[in-house]
Amino acid sequence: NAGVTQTPKFRILKIGQSMTLQCTQDMNHNYMYWYRQDPGMGLKLIYYSVGAGITDKGEVPNGYNVSRSTTEDFPLRLELAAPSQTSVYFCASSYSPPTGVYNEQFFGPGTRLTVL
Amino acid sequence: RKEVEQDPGPFNVPEGATVAFNCTYSNSASQSFFWYRQDCRKEPKLLMSVYSSGNEDGRFTAQLNRASQYISLLIRDSKLSDSATYLCVVGSRGKLIFGQGTELSVKP
Repeated sequence: NAGVTQTPKFRILKIGQSMTLQCTQDMNHNYMYWYRQDPGMGLKLIYYSVGAGITDKGEVPNGYNVSRSTTEDFPLRLELAAPSQTSVYFCASSYSPPTGVYNEQFFGPGTRLTVL
Repeated sequence: RKEVEQDPGPFNVPEGATVAFNCTYSNSASQSFFWYRQDCRKEPKLLMSVYSSGNEDGRFTAQLNRASQYISLLIRDSKLSDSATYLCVVGSRGKLIFGQGTELSVKP
């Protein structure tokens, strides 16, 4: 099993450009998440999904969109990149709900995005 | 006030030392508690869940005090390989809330 994979690993965007961060998991998890991590800060939840066709906003959704057409894939779209979106983006998945006592979230290796 | 707050760190300790990390959370209705480990520029990985009665995994001991809304992680006999950032994570309002992390550096 590859677990959670993310592409690309690194990307530099110009202000106003768009891009999609890809995330795929092969563990048949229903729950998937996108987080961003700024230097010296904790992870902030951007969007999450509890199953194919169902998505919901997290703590910091502005400037992002997601879709979940399959159980495996959960892409994150940036429409008009801004310098404030410079961050490390992590995708994660879990078998059980986020607040389950036995829940473990499995993270991808991250995408390092710089917007200039 | 942040929902999850940790010791600011960094902690610099010699090999073999015992080190304790503290964490407080603001939502008394929080349901689940975890410690994650994050190596430099890598993804977070679950270190251990924290149960109400406290739990131990080898050299690691986690404690939860719901009355004080406080979580701790104790590492005994520190190894060089324990150097990482330790994230306190709380399940609250249907989501996981991450602390900012405490960096640990174990020196020879």
